[in-house]
Amino acid sequence: EAGVAQSPRYKIIEKRQSVAFWCNPISGHATLYWYQQILGQGPKLLIQFQNNGVVDDSQLPKDRFSAERLKGVDSTLKIQPAKLEDSAVYLCASSFQGPAYNEQFFGPGTRLTVL
Amino acid sequence: KQEVTQIPAALSVPEGENLVLNCSFTDSAIYNLQWFRQDPGKGLTSLLLIQSSQREQTSGRLNASLDKSSGRSTLYIAASQPGDSATYLCAVPTQGGSEKLVFGKGTKLTVNP
Repeated sequence: EAGVAQSPRYKIIEKRQSVAFWCNPISGHATLYWYQQILGQGPKLLIQFQNNGVVDDSQLPKDRFSAERLKGVDSTLKIQPAKLEDSAVYLCASSFQGPAYNEQFFGPGTRLTVL
Repeated sequence: KQEVTQIPAALSVPEGENLVLNCSFTDSAIYNLQWFRQDPGKGLTSLLLIQSSQREQTSGRLNASLDKSSGRSTLYIAASQPGDSATYLCAVPTQGGSEKLVFGKGTKLTVNP
């Protein structure tokens, strides 16, 4: 079974530039998550999709971050414009259904450095 | 608001030693608790998921226990190996709403040969 795929693995940009990350979840997984992990911290949920609908985006900085999940499969997360404090690892995860009873599987992450 | 704490923040042990990692949570109304491993520069690997109705789960040299009433979980690693060196994180889904996972900051384990 293929795991969660993410690209790119690394990205370096200057502040005020824009950047996009891509995620392909495990086949058949209805729920997709984007997390932000700052060095030395646990991951923080940014947005959670159930199929192609948003379940929770309460911690997503909506003035600069956006995400979509077209056709309930792949997802993209965009930052525009980036700030220095956005430097972090962005993790995508998926689960068969919601997190209450289902194990989450994570991709390798994208390490973003904003200069 | 659910808060998850992991103690210690870092642990260094000699190879072969048995060890215990601790995780505590403030709201005992949880569906399950999940333990993850994270290697440097990598994503998270799921190790064990314990449902709220279970007391423990085992996978190879790993054993995770859950005591909901006291808000605690432990991850026991038997006969540690240098390859076990990584950061170990625990997480619980919040009750209600999106049931999003709340993570601890992790315990960084180093197993010395």
